[in-house]
Amino acid sequence: GQQVMQIPQYQHVQEGEDFTTYCNSSTTLSNIQWYKQRPGGHPVFLIQLVKSGEVKKQKRLTFQFGEAKKNSSLHITATQTTDVGTYFCAATDSWGKLQFGAGTQVVVTP
Amino acid sequence: DGGITQSPKYLFRKEGQNVTLSCEQNLNHDAMYWYRQDPGQGLRLIYYSQIVNDFQKGDIAEGYSVSREKKESFPLTVTSAQKNPTAFYLCASSIGGSGNTIYFGEGSWLTVV
Repeated sequence: GQQVMQIPQYQHVQEGEDFTTYCNSSTTLSNIQWYKQRPGGHPVFLIQLVKSGEVKKQKRLTFQFGEAKKNSSLHITATQTTDVGTYFCAATDSWGKLQFGAGTQVVVTP
Repeated sequence: DGGITQSPKYLFRKEGQNVTLSCEQNLNHDAMYWYRQDPGQGLRLIYYSQIVNDFQKGDIAEGYSVSREKKESFPLTVTSAQKNPTAFYLCASSIGGSGNTIYFGEGSWLTVV
């Protein structure tokens, strides 16, 4: 099925810094979703992007869908300790199943 | 409360025993899923069901079985044929099956000793 690759696998951030995590595919995606999983918790839906070049913001989080709809990014500004967790992107494959990337595990240092 | 309820949250079993994980949802969702997550890794799809009395294998179905006799229930059995069953199991549901937002339960930790 569809594979989405996430980089980096780990992100160690100083509190207050910005960082970006990326999600890449070799094929055109119909849409992309982002989820966050806190340590010991379950994934929670953050946002869905559908249109080419789409940009959506949620407070300090900015999500972008590439023009070619083959990649997406999540940018977090002024990182806080509450941002700790693993961020997953997910895309619908040709069989209609949602395929998850391996995730970016974010650790925040106060 | 509306949502997805998984039980038990923690389960220990001896090697060679079958174990069934429960998943119930009251969201009136048609589609339900089971994912497996290993430490530090992503989510791998075990089985999914888009409608009652129908289900399909995901990417890692070997050693697992499911049933979907009721819309709200999608239990997963981890059989003795599953070679490495210790993992975190997540049940999820969505309104429809294709590209819709997935809502997850809180998960079940299975440890086989």
